[in-house]
Amino acid sequence: DAGVTQSPTHLIKTRGQQVTLRCSPKSGHDTVSWYQQALGQGPQFIFQYYEEEERQRGNFPDRFSGHQFPNYSSELNVNALLLGDSALYLCASSWRGQAFKNTEAFFGQGTRLTVV
Amino acid sequence: AQTVTQSQPEMSVQEAETVTLSCTYDTSENNYYLFWYKQPPSRQMILVIRQEAYKQQNATENRFSVNFQKAAKSFSLKISDSQLGDTAMYFCAFMNNAGNMLTFGGGTRLMVKP
Repeated sequence: DAGVTQSPTHLIKTRGQQVTLRCSPKSGHDTVSWYQQALGQGPQFIFQYYEEEERQRGNFPDRFSGHQFPNYSSELNVNALLLGDSALYLCASSWRGQAFKNTEAFFGQGTRLTVV
Repeated sequence: AQTVTQSQPEMSVQEAETVTLSCTYDTSENNYYLFWYKQPPSRQMILVIRQEAYKQQNATENRFSVNFQKAAKSFSLKISDSQLGDTAMYFCAFMNNAGNMLTFGGGTRLMVKP
């Protein structure tokens, strides 16, 4: 079991550009959540996808958007990049089944985005 | 909205000794879940221990245990027999009953010294 995989591991973009980050959930998981972790801080919830729809959203602007595919993998898109978007972006997968409340979120190793 | 506060930015402990990391949270909900995650330099968040708010018994996982005080909204992590591999950032996290998002504290950097 490969667990949660994210790509790329590192990325450097210029201010104003657009970026797409990718996440493949752990086998058997159907829900993907994205978090932004600024240096020296705890992760902040961006949004969660289930059944290809955004189910919950944190306090992030519309520049942050996402998508979930039929195979449960997900993308995070950020438009008009700002210097302040530089952070570690973490993907977490879980299973929203009958026992959802007993499941844990498994995290990937993240994508380090640097905006210059 | 929920908030999670970790008041100890950094802590250190000698190998084989015991250390306790503090966490407080604020919520108006009665049913929820609390977690401690470990983030080593590899960056991957690893679940250390979880606690369901409706359970009075404190959770334990090998050398890790929690002291859950629901009325005080306190959730501390005790690491016994500390090992060098325990060196990492530790995050306390809250999940509401809907289970759709984690709210993290600011983290505590733990250094285990040989």
